[in-house]
Parts: sequence; structure tokens; C-alpha cells
Amino acid sequence: AQTVTQSQPEMSVQEAETVTLSCTYDTSENNYYLFWYKQPPSRQMILVIRQEAYKQQNATENRFSVNFQKAAKSFSLKISDSQLGDTAMYFCALPGGAQKLVFGQGTRLTINP
Amino acid sequence: NAGVTQTPKFQVLKTGQSMTLQCAQDMNHEYMSWYRQDPGMGLRLIHYSVGAGITDQGEVPNGYNVSRSTTEDFPLRLLSAAPSQTSVYFCASSYSGFGNTIYFGEGSWLTVV
Repeated sequence: AQTVTQSQPEMSVQEAETVTLSCTYDTSENNYYLFWYKQPPSRQMILVIRQEAYKQQNATENRFSVNFQKAAKSFSLKISDSQLGDTAMYFCALPGGAQKLVFGQGTRLTINP
Repeated sequence: NAGVTQTPKFQVLKTGQSMTLQCAQDMNHEYMSWYRQDPGMGLRLIHYSVGAGITDQGEVPNGYNVSRSTTEDFPLRLLSAAPSQTSVYFCASSYSGFGNTIYFGEGSWLTVV
């Protein structure tokens, strides 16, 4: 069974700083996707970035990038030039089958002015 | 483009009452699912469907019932509400196939007293 672990329950940084959120996972699949979702106070689940496991290149979306280490089963999210609007819960997720996303426990990120 | 629409957004129920959370998507997605999110946790899968007429159980199905008579709609029924079902419920949908992005509704806050 797939598992996802986020070991940082809370993080706090100053605006404009860079922050990295950690995620480790376990799966027996060789080919899979990984996702980072953002959940602001509104509770909406917003896809931030996705990574295909068979691609060597780390995914990037504007200020968001990942460090994907397949052998170590590590999938961290880096937020550059952090903004107040980045304040949210962040969830790492791994598909466990059709519509079966397995989520980590989440990291509460606060960006301070 | 409405995406995934859930109703109601807020509901208070008494123990033992039944109710239905509605979910509709206008993206012609084959896959639909229901998750619940408890405080401080990630989302957990309740039930899912890979197409009209086909449903299956997720991680936490007890106390819930679903049906999928059309591609667009996937209602979640609480048969006899219990305080343990107090949670935020999310409906989600995606195209079939490996690695497609799962889109979430805005959530339904349910309190059982």
C-alpha cells in the first residue's frame, strides 16, 4: 500500500524568503505521479505542481519547484520569493489507484510580513 | 466553467438524521470520488466511481452510500448521521487514465450534534 509522510507539521518564514517542505513516500509502483496541493483558509484544494516519476527533470511552476529523488522516495517542494498568499496547508499526495489519492498529514505554512 | 460543484456548503444535522451531499461536474470526467478531511489531517477516500453505474469503496466507507446514475452527478448519502461524521467533505473528479489531475470541489462543512 502507498504511504505518504510529511514530517514538518508547521513552518514559518518571512515574506520573500525561500522555504522547502519535505515529503517522503512509499510505493511498489515503478511509474507514478506525485502531487503537491495547497489548501488556503478557504479550504479549497488547489493543485500546485505535479511530477512524473519516470521524468528525470524536476517540475517547476513559476515560484514553485520540486526536488524529486526517486531512489530515496523523496519529493520536496521549494517555494521561492514567498508571498503572503502562500500561507496555507500544503499536502503531498500519491495516487493509489483510480481516484485514490493518498495524502500526507500536511504542513501548515505561514508567511510573515 | 463551473468545475466541481458541491451543495450544501454548510449543514448541521442531528444524530440519526439522514442527508445527501450533492456533487456535480461539468468537465465530462469519468472518475468521481468523495473524501473527508478531519482536523489536522489529510483527505481520506470514502467512495469512488470510475463511470456511470460503477462505484466502489475507499478507505473509510462505513456509514455512507453512493450511486452514479449519470456521468455528471455523484451524490453522497449519510444514512444515519453520527458525531464521528462531523467533517469537511470534498468531491473530486478527473479524466480516466494514468496520472490525470484530480480536481476538487470547494468542500461541504458538516456538523453532527
